[in-house]
Amino acid sequence: NAGVTQTPKFQVLKTGQSMTLQCAQDMNHNSMYWYRQDPGMGLRLIYYSASEGTTDKGEVPNGYNVSRLNKREFSLRLESAAPSQTSVYFCATTGIGRGGPTDTQYFGPGTRLTVL
Amino acid sequence: GESVGLHLPTLSVQEGDNSIINCAYSNSASDYFIWYKQESGKGPQFIIDIRSNMDKRQGQRVTVLLNKTVKHLSLQIAATQPGDSAVYFCAEGSQGNLIFGKGTKLSVKP
Repeated sequence: NAGVTQTPKFQVLKTGQSMTLQCAQDMNHNSMYWYRQDPGMGLRLIYYSASEGTTDKGEVPNGYNVSRLNKREFSLRLESAAPSQTSVYFCATTGIGRGGPTDTQYFGPGTRLTVL
Repeated sequence: GESVGLHLPTLSVQEGDNSIINCAYSNSASDYFIWYKQESGKGPQFIIDIRSNMDKRQGQRVTVLLNKTVKHLSLQIAATQPGDSAVYFCAEGSQGNLIFGKGTKLSVKP
């Protein structure tokens, strides 16, 4: 069981390019989250999906869109990347399912994105 | 290397000593709290959690203390090892959503 996986691990984009970050979980959790992490700052929530078919904005949603494709997969899309979106992006899951307390969020390894 | 540790408070301890990492939280209505460990280049890893109806919880080599009166959380690591070197941050939660602290960088000297 892989837990939470993210692809790609690294990406370099030019300003204005688009891309989709993929996240998949095999923990059978209902809720999935996308965060960004910037130097010296706490994790900031971009979007979340409480269950399959629903998505909601977090603290910093501007410039991003998400799709909850099915229970396992939650993708984050940058339609027109900007240098301010240079960051490390983490996907997380939580909920009743395999592994641990139901309120704990389990994180993927991250995608390191640079926008030039 | 990972840049998440820049500009963070740093705690430097000798190998074998005990470490205490502190966290102040903001919401008195938060009903659970989690400590995470993040090693360079990796995602945050769950260490231990505690519910608001408890004031202490112990795990393997780690203890979390919760003081709701002053909204303070601490993580104690016994017999700190070089492998404990990482950024540690707390999170406070309510109804499935978490708010994360900025973190403390723990550096273990051999």
